[in-house]
Amino acid sequence: AQTVTQSQPEMSVQEAETVTLSCTYDTSESDYYLFWYKQPPSRQMILVIRQEAYKQQNATENRFSVNFQKAAKSFSLKISDSQLGDAAMYFCAYRGGANSKLTFGKGITLSVRP
Amino acid sequence: GAVVSQHPSRVICKSGTSVKIECRSLDFQATTMFWYRQFPKQSLMLMATSNEGSKATYEQGVEKDKFLINHASLTLSTLTVTSAHPEDSSFYICSARLPGAASLEAFFGQGTRLTVV
Repeated sequence: AQTVTQSQPEMSVQEAETVTLSCTYDTSESDYYLFWYKQPPSRQMILVIRQEAYKQQNATENRFSVNFQKAAKSFSLKISDSQLGDAAMYFCAYRGGANSKLTFGKGITLSVRP
Repeated sequence: GAVVSQHPSRVICKSGTSVKIECRSLDFQATTMFWYRQFPKQSLMLMATSNEGSKATYEQGVEKDKFLINHASLTLSTLTVTSAHPEDSSFYICSARLPGAASLEAFFGQGTRLTVV
């Protein structure tokens, strides 16, 4: 079974600084997809960024980028120029190529200090 | 992006009664929808996969007779919590994907906070 591990329950970052959220996963599949979701206090799940395992290039979406290390099964999220609105719970998620279910990590609560 | 609407956003019910939560894909047809349960400060736990026109697939440990799922159309799935008890109080979230194997992203409803008193 696939597992997703987010070992840090909480992190804090100063506004305008950069923060990295870590995530590791375990799978025996070669074709899969990885995601980072944001859940603000409204509890609406929002897709931040996604990465296809077959792509070597790290995904980037504006201030958000990932460091995808396939051999190490690591998928960290970097948030640059942190803003107050980035404060939320962040979930790393895995989806196998042949299985449409999403497997979520435990999540990390990110706070942004003004 | 695609929109998934969940209703109601909050519901309070008495112990022993049943409550129905609706999940609608507003601008696309969803052959598959997913139902999750989330406790405060915790992750989303998949309860079941809802397939249009067929029986839902429940995850291990989820009581199918307690959490009834119906996916009668391509745009609507419902979750009915039967004979609710205080321990069923939780945040329930649905999600759906665009049809097609190439679809990657899951779109989530706003969630429903259920309180059983």
